[in-house]
Amino acid sequence: GENVEQHPSTLSVQEGDSAVIKCTYSDSASNYFPWYKQELGKRPQLIIDIRSNVGEKKDQRIAVTLNKTAKHFSLHITETQPEDSAVYFCAEGKPIFGQGTTLQVKP
Amino acid sequence: EAGVTQFPSHSVIEKGQTVTLRCDPISGHDNLYWYRRVMGKEIKFLLHFVKESKQDESGMPNNRFLAERTGGTYSTLKVQPAELEDSGVYFCASSRRLGGDWNEQFFGPGTRLTVL
Repeated sequence: GENVEQHPSTLSVQEGDSAVIKCTYSDSASNYFPWYKQELGKRPQLIIDIRSNVGEKKDQRIAVTLNKTAKHFSLHITETQPEDSAVYFCAEGKPIFGQGTTLQVKP
Repeated sequence: EAGVTQFPSHSVIEKGQTVTLRCDPISGHDNLYWYRRVMGKEIKFLLHFVKESKQDESGMPNNRFLAERTGGTYSTLKVQPAELEDSGVYFCASSRRLGGDWNEQFFGPGTRLTVL
């Protein structure tokens, strides 16, 4: 069945460093890959998404890369700030979500 | 535009009781989804409505869960009878789906259900 694996489960970085979260998926027909951010006590919100017809998409400090051959995609956050601290979920398709990554950015 | 709303925000019930959760999607969004997140785990898909029709209910755990979307507007998710393992945060989300493509989903604030 459909499955999304997300790593790492927790990630701690110093303010200003980069953070990378990786996901793999199993459905080769998937063509939509969103990333959601959930701050403590709040609702998940889309931060960036990518479709299968492109390999990379960037929005300010956030970028997503997609490798359809290897069936994996990654979220890259540069120049991290304390307000980036949250749980990040990758997803594909309808969507099926990954297990989440708790990112902590230390000031 | 008004966002997705859910009611109640919290519900504490005893095992064996019934609870009904409500979701009001963004106006004009034909697609409505229900999810559940158990603490520390993934956001698990439950089901998907397109207007009033159930498009995909493959994630519904068992027949104690019943979702409806009469008239294609708001939706309810009823759990009867509730069991301990039903505890978690239930999220609703809505989206427009254009040309058959998946698109951004807008989430509600969630209902935190605790079954004692």
